[in-house]
Amino acid sequence: GQNIDQPTEMTATEGAIVQINCTYQTSGFNGLFWYQQHAGEAPTFLSYNVLDGLEEKGRFSSFLSRSKGYSYLLLKELQMKDSASYLCAPLDSNYQLIWGAGTKLIIKP
Amino acid sequence: IAGITQAPTSQILAAGRRMTLRCTQDMRHNAMYWYRQDLGLGLRLIHYSNTAGTTGKGEVPDGYSVSRANTDDFPLTLASAVPSQTSVYFCASSEEGGADTQYFGPGTRLTVL
Repeated sequence: GQNIDQPTEMTATEGAIVQINCTYQTSGFNGLFWYQQHAGEAPTFLSYNVLDGLEEKGRFSSFLSRSKGYSYLLLKELQMKDSASYLCAPLDSNYQLIWGAGTKLIIKP
Repeated sequence: IAGITQAPTSQILAAGRRMTLRCTQDMRHNAMYWYRQDLGLGLRLIHYSNTAGTTGKGEVPDGYSVSRANTDDFPLTLASAVPSQTSVYFCASSEEGGADTQYFGPGTRLTVL
């Protein structure tokens, strides 16, 4: 079956760094997306990885290891506005996104 | 308008009633999607359309139907609502299907009593 594992909730301090992990098992693989979702709002795109390695985009970076079925999202210089849920979503062999339940990130001053 | 709009924003519905959730995009995207999001679960795909005139079933299609008469609009219909269809519904679109980034509308919060 298809399965996504992410921590349910994480807490971090403003200005710090946090890493949100995601492990996945899918029928085929065509890349992995990370989305951010603030409470009561729509998911918004953060990153897409299809090859192994680290992709950096400002304060946010995303890493993929296809052989391990593993990805992480790294957030640096945390700001209060980063309090949100972070959704991991690999793309399966049918190019269908398989969504994790998300990791709720709480930023404390 | 710019992006994707959904209507209504929220709705309370009696069980057994028919309801259509509207979705319109102005980005000329070929692919459109309907998801539901329930507490503690990931987004689940209900139906999708890769281009105007075609539709497909997602992971949880039962009790829902869609149509895609043109590029811009992708309505989702609940023929006879049941309480288990209480959820937040998101419409999304992407330029093509495949690995293109999906962009989401603001969502419709539906309660079926």
